[in-house]
Order: sequence, then C-alpha cells, then structure tokens
Amino acid sequence: DAKTTQPPSMDCAEGRAANLPCNHSTISGNEYVYWYRQIHSQGPQYIIHGLKNNETNEMASLIITEDRKSSTLILPHATLRDTAVYYCIALSGTASKLTFGTGTRLQVTL
Amino acid sequence: NAGVTQTPKFRVLKTGQSMTLLCAQDMNHEYMYWYRQDPGMGLRLIHYSVGEGTTAKGEVPDGYNVSRLKKQNFLLGLESAAPSQTSVYFCASSPPGRRGNQPQHFGDGTRLSIL
Repeated sequence: DAKTTQPPSMDCAEGRAANLPCNHSTISGNEYVYWYRQIHSQGPQYIIHGLKNNETNEMASLIITEDRKSSTLILPHATLRDTAVYYCIALSGTASKLTFGTGTRLQVTL
Repeated sequence: NAGVTQTPKFRVLKTGQSMTLLCAQDMNHEYMYWYRQDPGMGLRLIHYSVGEGTTAKGEVPDGYNVSRLKKQNFLLGLESAAPSQTSVYFCASSPPGRRGNQPQHFGDGTRLSIL
C-alpha cells in the first residue's frame, strides 16, 4: 500500500471549514484513499473513502486530485467535537489491513 | 445496535500471566482484525480473520494467538504476558470487499498494562 504524508498538526476556528491535506504520490490505480479519525483515546472512526471521484457524506467531503497524488478532507463546519487525530490511508486488497501513520492532529478552537 | 464490543475495557496483569481479550460484532461482518496502539503511534495489525475458522498473521503477531470459532467473535490471547505488550488493543470488523472497498468499524479498545 502506498505511503501517505500528512502535516503533523493544524488549527481551525469553530464554524469554519477544516481542510486536511494528504500526499500519496505513489498511489497505484487500484488503491482507495481512506480517512479515519481518532478522538482522544477512542477507537478509530471511519469518515470517508474514494477511488478517483470526489465523495461527500454526512460527515465530510473528499477531494482527490485528477492525478490522484494528493487529496483533501474537508469538514465543512468544524466543531469542538471534531478535535481529533485524522489519518489518511491508501490501501487495496480484499482484506483491508490498515496501517496508520501518525496522522494530523486537528485542534478546533473557539 | 452495539457494533463492535470489546471486553474487558481495562486490565492489569503480572508478567507471565495469560489472558484472553474478547471482541464481538453484531453486524454479520466476515472480516475481523486485532490491532495494538502504543503511545504516540499509529495502529499495528496483530492478527486478522477473513472468516469463521480462519486466521492469519499481521505485522506484529509474536506473543499472541487468536481464534475465530464463531463468526461474530474474535478472541486474542496472550500466552505469557510481557511488559512490552502493554498497549491499547483495538478490534475491528468489516464486510468483505473487492479491492479494499469496505471500511472497518472499530471497538473502543482494551487498555492493558503488564507489570
């Protein structure tokens, strides 16, 4: 599975959009981009995933560049409860064995 | 709908003791996984299972055994606990998916300390 690179930390004001970047320049054609987050010491929570098209669900939007070498997770109206570590993962295969890096620590402030 | 439930939530063991961590899921998922997370680090896969009666090794399997006798349960055993196994253990499950197209659902973790 391709290596991903994320900034170690970001800040966002409450109510503003949080845009979290991820670089996956070595991603292969059959690898999906997944986003998870981990709030405090809870279990990781699935957010969204995509292959090449942009995706949106009730939690977030995922924008994947046309060359698929990078992506951005967008939380449209961040709240204090969105403070967490966000992980971007590229993977393929029928048994999706996740490998989490160190992620981006998002701090949402008043 | 409970999702993925892990028991116990906390446990303290002495070196050399054995114990079993239980993971139960009520989503009828085929795949189940055990991960460990050490302070400041990401998750590392210990063992996984793609169906009842089958298990496979992950990235860090040494010192652990697993069993999947029933589809809904995945047990993680520590044969002889060592301080290096102090960690937070997460269980996850997912339906089967072609080409990695199925997200995993996680439990809230078991915090294990080995003295």
